[in-house]
Formats: sequence, structure tokens, C-alpha cells
Amino acid sequence: TQLLEQSPQFLSIQEGENLTVYCNSSSVFSSLQWYRQEPGEGPVLLVTVVTGGEVKKLKRLTFQFGDARKDSSLHITAAQPGDTGLYLCAGEGGSNYKLTFGKGTLLTVNP
Amino acid sequence: DARVTQTPRHKVTEMGQEVTMRCQPILGHNTVFWYRQTMMQGLELLAYFRNRAPLDDSGMPKDRFSAEMPDATLATLKIQPSEPRDSAVYFCASGVSRGSPFFGPGTRLTVL
Repeated sequence: TQLLEQSPQFLSIQEGENLTVYCNSSSVFSSLQWYRQEPGEGPVLLVTVVTGGEVKKLKRLTFQFGDARKDSSLHITAAQPGDTGLYLCAGEGGSNYKLTFGKGTLLTVNP
Repeated sequence: DARVTQTPRHKVTEMGQEVTMRCQPILGHNTVFWYRQTMMQGLELLAYFRNRAPLDDSGMPKDRFSAEMPDATLATLKIQPSEPRDSAVYFCASGVSRGSPFFGPGTRLTVL
């Protein structure tokens, strides 16, 4: 069974601060995806990383895939209240396109 | 703006009752997933279909849960009989082959 551990579980910061959340596994994934979920809604895809060592930027969000494709990080610069939400990572492995989700990091950005 | 739709959005029922949740995938998507989300377990894959054929339902309690795709525009998830431990948010998601799934808004189920 492939497991993804996300840390921290909860994070509360002030507007303007920087933060990093982590997604770790002992398994290798062919790709890793990051989602953001807001209350009462389904997760929305932010980015997919495929190559070990890959870095992708989405405005103030920077995503990195570990060299060994077992871990990933999400860094947010100058967080804003609109960044508040549950951040989920999901790894794809195996031949049948099955996504394994971490339990998420619940981020609160206070104005 | 193509979206996955799910009905009902909220369902409160009593233990032992049958529950049916419905999903309309995005037109043209050939893969449909059912996930369950709880605080304790996070998002768990229950079942998924490709071109309406079930590919994997190993995450689903088979004695009480069933998932079907009567046609390309409708996926259903049934629980019979329902139990309090089934209380969760159930998400349907659709996608194309190896593409990332698009999630619906979920059905919040409460079994008393």
C-alpha cells in the first residue's frame, strides 16, 4: 500500500508570511499532484509534477518534486487570506491510474 | 463551464435505509471515480470506471456498497443498508484516461 504523509496537519499564519508544506512517502510515484479544497467543495487541481527534481511555479506557489520521486513540497510566498484551504497531495502509481491521497494540510491565513 | 454534478448535496437518513448518490460526469470524460472523505481517513478511493466498465472497486465494502454506470452520463453509488460509520462526504470525479480528475462538489451523508 502506498502512503503519503503530509505535514504539518494544521498551519495558521498571518497574511504576508511565507510557508512550506510537505508530502512524503517511502514509495516512488510516476507523478504527483497538488490540490486545494475549500469548504463545501471538491478538491481542485493546482499542479502535476512528473520528473524527479522538477520545480513548477504558479504565481506565488512553488511546487517541487523530489529527485527520487518520493516526496514533494509546496511553498507559498506572501500568503494571502485567499490561500486558505486544505492542501492535498496525491501520488499516481501502478498501471491503472490510481491516485493515493495524503490527508492534507489545513492552512488558515489570517488578515 | 463544464463541471461534475452530484445529487443530492446533503442527505440525512436513518440507519438501515438505502442511500443512492448520483453523479453526472463531464461530457466526453471516460473515467469516473468515487471517493469518500472523512476527517480520520482523508480521501479514500472506493471505485472507478473507465468507459463505463468497473476497473477497481477494492476500496468499497462490497456487502453494502455498489457502484454502477447505467450510461455515460450517469454514475450511481448505493449503500444498502446504511450504517452510522458511512457518514462522510462522497465525491465523484471524472477525467480522461490518464488525465487528472475533476471533482464534483460532493454529497454530505449523515446516517443517524
